[in-house]
Amino acid sequence: DVKVTQSSRYLVKRTGEKVFLECVQDMDHENMFWYRQDPGLGLRLIYFSYDVKMKEKGDIPEGYSVSREKKERFSLILESASTNQTSMYLCASSLWGESNTGELFFGEGSRLTVL
Amino acid sequence: GQNIDQPTEMTATEGAIVQINCTYQTSGFNGLFWYQQHAGEAPTFLSYNVLDGLEEKGRFSSFLSRSKGYSYLLLKELQMKDSASYLCAVRDSNYQLIWGAGTKLIIKP
Repeated sequence: DVKVTQSSRYLVKRTGEKVFLECVQDMDHENMFWYRQDPGLGLRLIYFSYDVKMKEKGDIPEGYSVSREKKERFSLILESASTNQTSMYLCASSLWGESNTGELFFGEGSRLTVL
Repeated sequence: GQNIDQPTEMTATEGAIVQINCTYQTSGFNGLFWYQQHAGEAPTFLSYNVLDGLEEKGRFSSFLSRSKGYSYLLLKELQMKDSASYLCAVRDSNYQLIWGAGTKLIIKP
């Protein structure tokens, strides 16, 4: 089974702090994604990556950056956390090709509270 | 703009059948997904439709009509463990996923 592991389930940070959210997948998937999930809204894509050292902006990249130095690891960085970044952050990976649907496999999520 | 609509909340009785609808307006279409998300947990993949018609997988079925921009997820023989949110997502012409806000399904004994 595919496993996507996020480093922290719950974090509490103060405004202005730098925050690192780590995500590791163990199935050699090329594609990795960071979403945030807020009540009443659909999942919103922050950044995604199709390959090592590659990154693409999603719908809401402002205030975030990412790093993909190894295929299995995709990190989300909040350079200076703000209260409006309080949210659930979901990492996902997928294998995309003609022989599969490309469904996403999600991590358990990291609930970040910024005070 | 691109939009996915699904009901916010539905209630059903254990043992019954429930249909969760999803309508979409997107720039192109390259498949529709349904995911299940229990409270406090990660979404998990349920079904995928890319051609019109019904896909059946055990107690769950998913239907797609591309001409109407419409899908539904049908859950039969409801169990208490089916209480969860159900997320509809469409992959557009750029192969990006557009997500609905999810339907919270409450199952009552």
